[in-house]
Amino acid sequence: DADVTQTPRNRITKTGKRIMLECSQTKGHDRMYWYRQDPGLGLRLIYYSFDVKDINKGEISDGYSVSRQAQAKFSLSLESAIPNQTALYFCATSDHLRGFGGYTFGSGTRLTVV
Amino acid sequence: QQQVKQSPQSLIVQKGGISIINCAYENTAFDYFPWYQQFPGKGPALLIAIRPDVSEKKEGRFTISFNKSAKQFSLHIMDSQPGDSATYFCAASKMNDYKLSFGAGTTVTVRA
Repeated sequence: DADVTQTPRNRITKTGKRIMLECSQTKGHDRMYWYRQDPGLGLRLIYYSFDVKDINKGEISDGYSVSRQAQAKFSLSLESAIPNQTALYFCATSDHLRGFGGYTFGSGTRLTVV
Repeated sequence: QQQVKQSPQSLIVQKGGISIINCAYENTAFDYFPWYQQFPGKGPALLIAIRPDVSEKKEGRFTISFNKSAKQFSLHIMDSQPGDSATYFCAASKMNDYKLSFGAGTTVTVRA
């Protein structure tokens, strides 16, 4: 099993619909992140969480919300999807309790809003 | 605005050649500079990282060169192989923060 699992892998949804992307990890890392990837823009941070009770906005949080249900689970919601939220979304984790060793990324969710 | 500027957007190199990707940053508080490698359909994976107390770090065929005064760092892929064909991202973060800011990415194609 993958260390960081994202579901679904692909999703097509309609404008105005609410959608949730889920992320779970088995690495025991304390920090979790949501990034979106767009061609020519790289990866941009949407939200991050340092622990279950600590949620922070990233650089492009408008239109998104998150929930850290447990140390291992971090979900991203689009309350009312719009076409410019079409992108590749990545969840990532990092470990700060035992020394930072970089991010571990999931395989991504390709979201299309029509 | 992107805190880390990466160039070129893409490059093509012959097998055995050298690939060079450059990044520049403005925030002098950044002190951790990793490079990530991404294959199609996969998430980025940490390739190599450097801190500003050294000017160069080498791991196999991959080398990071760091110029603190110019606020620039680069990735050199020596003896490029077709298996190196991927998208490469530079990134930067502050000490004890590790909230990474990524460059726009460079797609490297190695021709056999």
